Amino acid sequence: QKEVEQNSGPLSVPEGAIASLNCTYSDRGSQSFFWYRQYSGKSPELIMFIYSNGDKEDGRFTAQLNKASQYVSLLIRDSQPSDSATYLCAVIPAGGTSYGKLTFGQGTILTVHP
Amino acid sequence: EAGVAQSPRYKIIEKRQSVAFWCNPISGHATLYWYQQILGQGPKLLIQFQNNGVVDDSQLPKDRFSAERLKGVDSTLKIQPAKLEDSAVYLCASSLSKFANTGELFFGEGSRLTVL
Repeated sequence: QKEVEQNSGPLSVPEGAIASLNCTYSDRGSQSFFWYRQYSGKSPELIMFIYSNGDKEDGRFTAQLNKASQYVSLLIRDSQPSDSATYLCAVIPAGGTSYGKLTFGQGTILTVHP
Repeated sequence: EAGVAQSPRYKIIEKRQSVAFWCNPISGHATLYWYQQILGQGPKLLIQFQNNGVVDDSQLPKDRFSAERLKGVDSTLKIQPAKLEDSAVYLCASSLSKFANTGELFFGEGSRLTVL
């Protein structure tokens, strides 16, 4: 079982719709969860992080965390063509030696069509 | 503020040859990471430095990969000899804190390696 799993997609949504991206993780003790966005040919950039169960909103983005189900998701409201990218879920595993050691999923390709 | 600088951006070599990548992190960032990203996959951590000391190199193939961070600033990642499966983008990232639990890593543009 992979440590962090995502549906690789591609996920295609029309402009203005809600895009829902999902991620599961295997280490039940993980404490910190992140969503990175990566445009084609570019490097990843952090969109959001979440530590506590529930929802966290930032503009059009909402991260949702359910530690009991070991599940984290990212919702993008009012999707725009400029949101078309690969979205990487990342987790910092449990344990004192993790020191910011991000473990990434394989990424979900999102395409927003006009 | 200048970002993470990497060079070269692109490199094509034949298998069994050697290659070196250079990284200059954001000024003041004590933690430096090298990630390998194979096409269609997420980045995989190869090595993590805190200043000039290694924090984690558990996923670095030490028979062919080596990395150093002299003086706690610039870093070099070397592959010798290269294999076909080393074809990937090598991403350097830096962060402010050793306990980078904010997860805010700043990535460079990457060095794309093609091994023929």
